[in-house]
Amino acid sequence: DADVTQTPRNRITKTGKRIMLECSQTKGHDRMYWYRQDPGLGLRLIYYSFDVKDINKGEISDGYSVSRQAQAKFSLSLESAIPNQTALYFCATSDFPQRGPVDTQYFGPGTRLTVL
Amino acid sequence: QKEVEQDPGPLSVPEGAIVSLNCTYSNSAFQYFMWYRQYSRKGPELLMYTYSSGNKEDGRFTAQVDKSSKYISLFIRDSQPSDSATYLCAIPFSGGYNKLIFGAGTRLAVHP
Repeated sequence: DADVTQTPRNRITKTGKRIMLECSQTKGHDRMYWYRQDPGLGLRLIYYSFDVKDINKGEISDGYSVSRQAQAKFSLSLESAIPNQTALYFCATSDFPQRGPVDTQYFGPGTRLTVL
Repeated sequence: QKEVEQDPGPLSVPEGAIVSLNCTYSNSAFQYFMWYRQYSRKGPELLMYTYSSGNKEDGRFTAQVDKSSKYISLFIRDSQPSDSATYLCAIPFSGGYNKLIFGAGTRLAVHP
C-alpha cells in the first residue's frame, strides 16, 4: 500500500463550489505539506503543518484553507473554487530533521483538479 | 529574478546518450541542492542531494554543484527509456519559513 495517499485522484468542479482534497499517510511523519504544480511554475507551497497544532501558510495560501485532523491526515479546502485554481495538487510528508540534513519530502500521487 | 530557474524542456534523447539537466539559483547562501524525479501521473521522489560544491555520484547519476556560478547539474550516463520523467531541482531554504524551492522541472524523454 502507498505510504501517502490522496483522494480524489481527479476532480472536475464548477466555479464557486467548495471542494476538499484529502491526504493520509502511514509513514508516521509529523510534517505534512500541500503543494500545487502548474506547467512552467514548478511546485509551490500552499500550506504546511509541523504537527497537529501547528499550521502555517505557504507562499500561495490565498483562497485555500487546511485542516490537520490527526497526525496522519491533512486536508486542503477550496472555499469557493475559481478557474485559476485548476492545477495538480500534491500532499507531502517528512520527518525532518530526524533523518539527516535535508528535508526529504515524500509525495502522494497527486489530485488533478479542474475548475470550470 | 526567480530564486531557482530551470529550463522546462522538453528534452528528447536516444537511448544510451549522456543527459545534462541544469538549474541556476540566485541566493549564494544556499548550501544543499536536491534533485527529484517525477514520473508521469506520480508524485516527485528524491533522487539525490549534494552539499556545497563538488560532485556526487550514484550509479548512472551524477549531481554537480558550482557555487561560484550558482549552477547545478544532473548528469545521466547511458540513459534508458525508464529514465523518461520530469526532473526537478530543489533547494532547501530556511529563511522566513522552512521550504523547498523547486525549479519548474525539465521533462526528459529517452527513446529506444
